[in-house]
Amino acid sequence: GAVVSQHPSRVICKSGTSVKIECRSLDFQATTMFWYRQFPKQSLMLMATSNEGSKATYEQGVEKDKFLINHASLTLSTLTVTSAHPEDSSFYICSARQQGRMLNTEAFFGQGTRLTVV
Amino acid sequence: GEDVEQSLFLSVREGDSSVINCTYTDSSSTYLYWYKQEPGAGLQLLTYIFSNMDMKQDQRLTVLLNKKDKHLSLRIADTQTGDSAIYFCAESTGEGGSYIPTFGRGTSLIVHP
Repeated sequence: GAVVSQHPSRVICKSGTSVKIECRSLDFQATTMFWYRQFPKQSLMLMATSNEGSKATYEQGVEKDKFLINHASLTLSTLTVTSAHPEDSSFYICSARQQGRMLNTEAFFGQGTRLTVV
Repeated sequence: GEDVEQSLFLSVREGDSSVINCTYTDSSSTYLYWYKQEPGAGLQLLTYIFSNMDMKQDQRLTVLLNKKDKHLSLRIADTQTGDSAIYFCAESTGEGGSYIPTFGRGTSLIVHP
């Protein structure tokens, strides 16, 4: 299947700083990317849907000023956690869907980023 | 309750069959999925089933769907240690399953020798 790469895989940052996570589709063009957050022993919670060239759509309860999403090209979306706090520590996963595809079976996941805020 | 529910843990012996169960609440679900997540990794789509099917088999994997009871199961035959992972059940509605899937909390499958 298609490859989605997330970077970094692990990051530790100080409280109050910002962290950028990248999600790249390596061998296909992704018009839509999804950002999820996963707490230990919890399910994946969709945070936002990112469409190339337009503003991201955030799920209810997700602060758009806190979690900045940029999807400037068909192969790259970024999630920036601004002014990070320890409660932002989590596993963040992106998923990318190929241009022209609508099925979830055609969405591919990155390997995730473990964020720890100290 | 949650939209998609599954038990948190399952422990099996290598070579046995594993059965992971899932229940969901949305009767308009059109696609149902099973994903596998290995430690520190993203999700890998294992298999999926359309809501108008009741069974799908793919090598060692068998998916059973009871739409009346909104119950989905994943059977892994001849379970191996490499099958140890978290398995997520998910469902989506919408034409062609195009809506964003709703995930369960995941079942940790532990395979021991």
